[in-house]
Amino acid sequence: DVKVTQSSRYLVKRTGEKVFLECVQDMDHENMFWYRQDPGLGLRLIYFSYDVKMKEKGDIPEGYSVSREKKERFSLILESASTNQTSMYLCASSLNDLILNTEAFFGQGTRLTVV
Amino acid sequence: DAKTTQPPSMDCAEGRAANLPCNHSTISGNEYVYWYRQIHSQGPQYIIHGLKNNETNEMASLIITEDRKSSTLILPHATLRDTAVYYCIVRAAGGTSYGKLTFGQGTILTVHP
Repeated sequence: DVKVTQSSRYLVKRTGEKVFLECVQDMDHENMFWYRQDPGLGLRLIYFSYDVKMKEKGDIPEGYSVSREKKERFSLILESASTNQTSMYLCASSLNDLILNTEAFFGQGTRLTVV
Repeated sequence: DAKTTQPPSMDCAEGRAANLPCNHSTISGNEYVYWYRQIHSQGPQYIIHGLKNNETNEMASLIITEDRKSSTLILPHATLRDTAVYYCIVRAAGGTSYGKLTFGQGTILTVHP
């Protein structure tokens, strides 16, 4: 079974802190994604990466950065956490599907509260 | 990627078939239809996808109309554990999308005893 593991299920941080959300996948997938999910707004893409050290902005990248130093690990960084970044964060991975259309696999999510 | 329209909510009796519709009238010829679901407090889970032919797997069936402007996800014998938000997504393979999925609001399916 493909596993996408997020380092924390629940996290509470203070305003202004630098926050790291870690995601690891064990299926050698090229693509990795970070989404946030908020009531009434659905899932929105923050950043994605299609290769090591490569990253692309999603729909709402402001206030976030990412790091992909190894293929299996994709980190989301909140440079200075703010209360409006309180949300559920979801990581996903998928094969590079230039040839074959494939599905994405999601982690269980990290519920981040910024106080 | 083409936009999709789904009803906000649906109900279904346990043991009956759940038919979830999706409109994607602006779908392009190279775009696939994907279905995911999200059970409360979990990450989304892939269900099925198709291009133009009907598809079936152990979880569900996907019926795509001949003009490809709409599709229906069928859960043949719904159980209480199928209560979830169901997302219909259309996307093209490869290219600069790199597997990106754009989620809409989905349909909240509630299965009743």
